[in-house]
Amino acid sequence: GAVVSQHPSWVICKSGTSVKIECRSLDFQATTMFWYRQFPKQSLMLMATSNEGSKATYEQGVEKDKFLINHASLTLSTLTVTSAHPEDSSFYICSAIYKPTDTQYFGPGTRLTVL
Amino acid sequence: DAKTTQPPSMDCAEGRAANLPCNHSTISGNEYVYWYRQIHSQGPQYIIHGLKNNETNEMASLIITEDRKSSTLILPHATLRDTAVYYCIVPGSARQLTFGSGTQLTVLP
Repeated sequence: GAVVSQHPSWVICKSGTSVKIECRSLDFQATTMFWYRQFPKQSLMLMATSNEGSKATYEQGVEKDKFLINHASLTLSTLTVTSAHPEDSSFYICSAIYKPTDTQYFGPGTRLTVL
Repeated sequence: DAKTTQPPSMDCAEGRAANLPCNHSTISGNEYVYWYRQIHSQGPQYIIHGLKNNETNEMASLIITEDRKSSTLILPHATLRDTAVYYCIVPGSARQLTFGSGTQLTVLP
């Protein structure tokens, strides 16, 4: 149980285009999901907290107009990178809280490369 | 939020126990300690968590000192597949996780 999936696992796009990444909790409902990114040889950095039915809360320095988060259902949160640029190339990882044990479970990550 | 301190790297022989320490001296009475690991280019994997009692599951054991200022994750019989970066984390008030540098565990054949 407590499986989180992400789609796609990798994506390559041209500069200026938008990319949507999906995060799903497969066998549980998650009112709270998180989005992280990880640059090479660095640790995960929290980008935003996504609460079902309400606006996401962004960490300092993360542009909310550039990284659009939608958490419209209890099993799905999406992250859209708008007008992507090469500096947005990174490993994007989501997580979801499994309430019975108050534990965060992570997806496998999405590798974004912007050319 | 309680900060944690871990050694940057450790080696362990295959088949031996790997003991990974973590200091969390500012932890408050109701805060849990969580352990995750990240194998290269994958999402972090949950291992175990605890409050004040020692915990054990199919992956590992967690020993928390009586004053709760430190803990040790024990992998009883390390395998090559346990090579990863291990993170000891005390979640924030909104349950957000702050990942430090962790400990790079290398299991040697």
